[in-house]
Amino acid sequence: GAVVSQHPSWVICKSGTSVKIECRSLDFQATTMFWYRQFPKQSLMLMATSNEGSKATYEQGVEKDKFLINHASLTLSTLTVTSAHPEDSSFYICSGHTGTDNSPLHFGNGTRLTVT
Amino acid sequence: DAKTTQPPSMDCAEGRAANLPCNHSTISGNEYVYWYRQIHSQGPQYIIHGLKNNETNEMASLIITEDRKSSTLILPHATLRDTAVYYCIVRHIQGAQKLVFGQGTRLTINP
Repeated sequence: GAVVSQHPSWVICKSGTSVKIECRSLDFQATTMFWYRQFPKQSLMLMATSNEGSKATYEQGVEKDKFLINHASLTLSTLTVTSAHPEDSSFYICSGHTGTDNSPLHFGNGTRLTVT
Repeated sequence: DAKTTQPPSMDCAEGRAANLPCNHSTISGNEYVYWYRQIHSQGPQYIIHGLKNNETNEMASLIITEDRKSSTLILPHATLRDTAVYYCIVRHIQGAQKLVFGQGTRLTINP
């Protein structure tokens, strides 16, 4: 159980275009979803936290107008990288939480974004 | 801001037990110890978590010292597929608290 599906698994886009990444919880309702990114040879860095039906909370240094997060349902959250640039190339990973105390976060398999 | 300290890398022979240490000397009474691992180019995989008692599941065992300032993740019979970066993370008990990842331990299982 507790499967998180992320799509696409990889995407290549041109500089200046926007890319949308989907994160779905397949067998549980994710009241909270977290978006992370990971640069090569580095650890995961939290970008933002989103609760269903609410605006996302962004970590310091993450531009909310550039990384648009929508969490419109208990099973779907999306991250849109707007006007992508080569420095946005990274591994983006989402995770979902049921909202039950002490339950672990479950992660998707990530999306490799390459901006040319 | 990670609250844990782990060795950057470890090696273990296939078939042997892999013991991964973690220091969390500033852990508070309402924080759990979580372990995740990340195999190359994949999302982190949940392994186990505990508060103060030792825990065991089908993947691993978690040994937490009595003072809770450190813990050890044990993979009893390591295989080549256990090669990954292992993250030890402390996380508040209540609600949907985020996970803050440190640098983890890169575990290499050698044939």
